[in-house]
Amino acid sequence: SAVISQKPSRDICQRGTSLTIQCQVDSQVTMMFWYRQQPGQSLTLIATANQGSEATYESGFVIDKFPISRPNLTFSTLTVSNMSPEDSSIYLCSVDGGQVTEAFFGQGTRLTVV
Amino acid sequence: QKEVEQNSGPLSVPEGAIASLNCTYSDRGSQSFFWYRQYSGKSPELIMSIYSNGDKEDGRFTAQLNKASQYVSLLIRDSQPSDSATYLCAVNMEYGNKLVFGAGTILRVKS
Repeated sequence: SAVISQKPSRDICQRGTSLTIQCQVDSQVTMMFWYRQQPGQSLTLIATANQGSEATYESGFVIDKFPISRPNLTFSTLTVSNMSPEDSSIYLCSVDGGQVTEAFFGQGTRLTVV
Repeated sequence: QKEVEQNSGPLSVPEGAIASLNCTYSDRGSQSFFWYRQYSGKSPELIMSIYSNGDKEDGRFTAQLNKASQYVSLLIRDSQPSDSATYLCAVNMEYGNKLVFGAGTILRVKS
């Protein structure tokens, strides 16, 4: 499986500011995914990031709030914009495992908005 | 109806016992099913995948799939305190080709 490095691992941010989370993979991957895990809850897919095209957002998530970049096949960023306390979550980057869409995760970014 | 449903638990079992974790899903066309283990404060770790009806064994773990009943389970034999974690069921929904996660079952293995 791919080795996925995500940073920062945690941050405390002021409301109204933005945070960019980076995800680096040690091999080229077609699809990268960004998930959110709110406290005590399961994972919710935010968007799918494909190299060379706009990210595909899931219902309830919009590009203005969660802009995503995918400049190459090993790197992606997720920005959480104009943060509010409701954005306090763990944000996880994942990549697919090939043809069967199993997901491997980075270590996550624990975000607290105060 | 939620797309992937799990009993939130906690499920408590004594050390050495078999832990049985269950999951149902709504999309009848789903083809790929996964179990993840998540320790507190950590990211999910893939422990089992299953694609065909029947059982799949890997060490102390056995995944069971019944597509007709839209049911997938995970058995953990000889449970250890280190197995205490949240277990997430994930299903690759046919529509949109994406993984959908259940809410997770908290497992506690008592020594």
